[in-house]
Amino acid sequence: GDSVTQMEGPVTLSEEAFLTINCTYTATGYPSLFWYVQYPGEGLQLLLKATKADDKGSNKGFEATYRKETTSFHLEKGSVQVSDSAVYFCALYKEYGNKLVFGAGTILRVKS
Amino acid sequence: KAGVTQTPRYLIKTRGQQVTLSCSPISGHRSVSWYQQTPGQGLQFLFEYFSETQRNKGNFPGRFSGRQFSNSRSEMNVSTLELGDSALYLCASSPRRDSHDGYTFGSGTRLTVV
Repeated sequence: GDSVTQMEGPVTLSEEAFLTINCTYTATGYPSLFWYVQYPGEGLQLLLKATKADDKGSNKGFEATYRKETTSFHLEKGSVQVSDSAVYFCALYKEYGNKLVFGAGTILRVKS
Repeated sequence: KAGVTQTPRYLIKTRGQQVTLSCSPISGHRSVSWYQQTPGQGLQFLFEYFSETQRNKGNFPGRFSGRQFSNSRSEMNVSTLELGDSALYLCASSPRRDSHDGYTFGSGTRLTVV
């Protein structure tokens, strides 16, 4: 079945450091890919998305590129802030099944 | 515009009881999905509703059920609660059945079973 694998955390960085969170997926067909973020005590917020190969999603300084050849959708940010501390989830969506399949989530902690 | 609203935010129930959770989607959104989030299993799909019909169901026992009303509001019910049902239950909505643009999630209902 379809699945998403994320790098294990927690990831601890100093403010202004470069961030990469790896995400790879297994799926037939052409899924859409997403990054969601969850702050403590809250639900999920859509951070960015890409619906086809080579698309780059971007938002709030975060970027991810849909790489079909490597089945990856790695999240990057050039300079993290303390306020970026949260849990980040990579997810895929296919119309067949009409549901999101999530990775396990990666905790990001940014120190000042 | 208002986001996805879930009520209540917190709930404590005893084993064997039943519980009903409510979700009001964004105005105009017709698709509502439910997910369970636990530390051990992560985020798992429960079910999806569109036009008052359950269109898809995840791998959960029959104790988990739901419905959608004509105004797109949705409820989910869990009967005969077990300790393992303690979780954050998230509702998500989208304008259409196909959600390549992504879903909007509510803040969730935190259910604790004691």
